[in-house]
Amino acid sequence: EVQLVESGGGLVQPGRSLRLSCAASGFSFDDYGMHWVRQLPGKGLEWVSGITWNSDRMGYADSVKGRFTISRDNAKNSLYLQMDSLRPEDTALYYCVKDRGSVLGVVTSWGQGTLVTVSS
Amino acid sequence: IQLTQSPSTLSASIGDRVTITCRASQSISKWLGWYQRKPGQAPKLLIYDASILENGVPSRFSGSGSGTEFTLTISSLQPDDFASYYCQQYNDYVPPLTFGPGTKVEIK
Repeated sequence: EVQLVESGGGLVQPGRSLRLSCAASGFSFDDYGMHWVRQLPGKGLEWVSGITWNSDRMGYADSVKGRFTISRDNAKNSLYLQMDSLRPEDTALYYCVKDRGSVLGVVTSWGQGTLVTVSS
Repeated sequence: IQLTQSPSTLSASIGDRVTITCRASQSISKWLGWYQRKPGQAPKLLIYDASILENGVPSRFSGSGSGTEFTLTISSLQPDDFASYYCQQYNDYVPPLTFGPGTKVEIK
């Protein structure tokens, strides 16, 4: 069974940084692309960032480009999101999400999410 | 690439044929997926590549379209289908990806 467990969320002041982690199990992590997707309060889903199976391609939403960095460690079955220069509008529930394939397409499995609150 | 969905809310009865439309701001060929989401649950992939049914998804769900206009059809609405539906584009697997704003299917 696919399991994705996020950690690292919390309350942070504007302008500060936070690093999210996702521990993956139940599948061959290094065969799949991975994503971070967020849900803003009372809103729909927003794709944040994605990374291919071998890290040769990464992508970011325009709203986070230049501030967020996605990475993965296939040896540790882990996905990360380094979030710098955080803004109040980054407040959201952040999900670690598994792609259906090795690149960046549709997704099939989601974690429970970790809440990030950016406020002074 | 921006996605719009219509309607934003849809009221329907059991057995109804339901159609949801997703429009892209530029051509995305066939690179579109559809998801179902129920309260408190993760989204579930229904369709990818615009018309391919994901394994295990009931055949009453179907997808069509290409370019900029796509539809999700539920041929005969069942009680389990009352949920929100989202489209997502992944144009030629080149980021950024985008989700649509969602369509809520309610009981009439």
